Amino acid sequence: DQQVKQNSPSLSVQEGRISILNCDYTNSMFDYFLWYKKYPAEGPTFLISISSIKDKNEDGRFTVFLNKSAKHLSLHIVPSQPGDSAVYFCAASMEGNQFYFGTGTSLTVIP
Amino acid sequence: KAGVTQTPRYLIKTRGQQVTLSCSPISGHRSVSWYQQTPGQGLQFLFEYFSETQRNKGNFPGRFSGRQFSNSRSEMNVSTLELGDSALYLCASSPTRDGHNEQFFGPGTRLTVL
Repeated sequence: DQQVKQNSPSLSVQEGRISILNCDYTNSMFDYFLWYKKYPAEGPTFLISISSIKDKNEDGRFTVFLNKSAKHLSLHIVPSQPGDSAVYFCAASMEGNQFYFGTGTSLTVIP
Repeated sequence: KAGVTQTPRYLIKTRGQQVTLSCSPISGHRSVSWYQQTPGQGLQFLFEYFSETQRNKGNFPGRFSGRQFSNSRSEMNVSTLELGDSALYLCASSPTRDGHNEQFFGPGTRLTVL
């Protein structure tokens, strides 16, 4: 039972444009959400997070939006750079360190 | 600080064998979690250890087990290997276990079962 879903397996964006990655979840008990980036042959690295008491968190070129009523999370990257090309995973937790991950979206930024 | 280390990086086994994977967390981190990553399935949570005790367990058969030592290092064991166990196994450490902190991942162990 996939409680966190990323319905777009891949996304291609031109350099300098905005990348929007989406994530949906089913469990309303989740109260903390994260995005990770993964390059081949490496483990995921943390990108940005958001608590359920907020609806937006920004860190440089990365912004995460949370819509609790829609159970929807999105990551905006502006402007996109070729080095952003990677697989992006969203994750959610409720309590304790049991995180539920989506299946990932492979982002390609075209120079 | 040194990152999370996992050994071995690659492993080839045959069906029916057993395997032990090792993870050393970041110094000071007491929470260690294990994940299985397969194509199309994302990261599936296996279990989490904190202070040598298993705190959470995912939906995996009993063939998957683990333990944590007093120095927070952790091992994961898979017995009676099946072809479907071929995957990237990732270990992650965290300074707390409240679920409100990022996890730091190791590079993973790529297990191939023939």
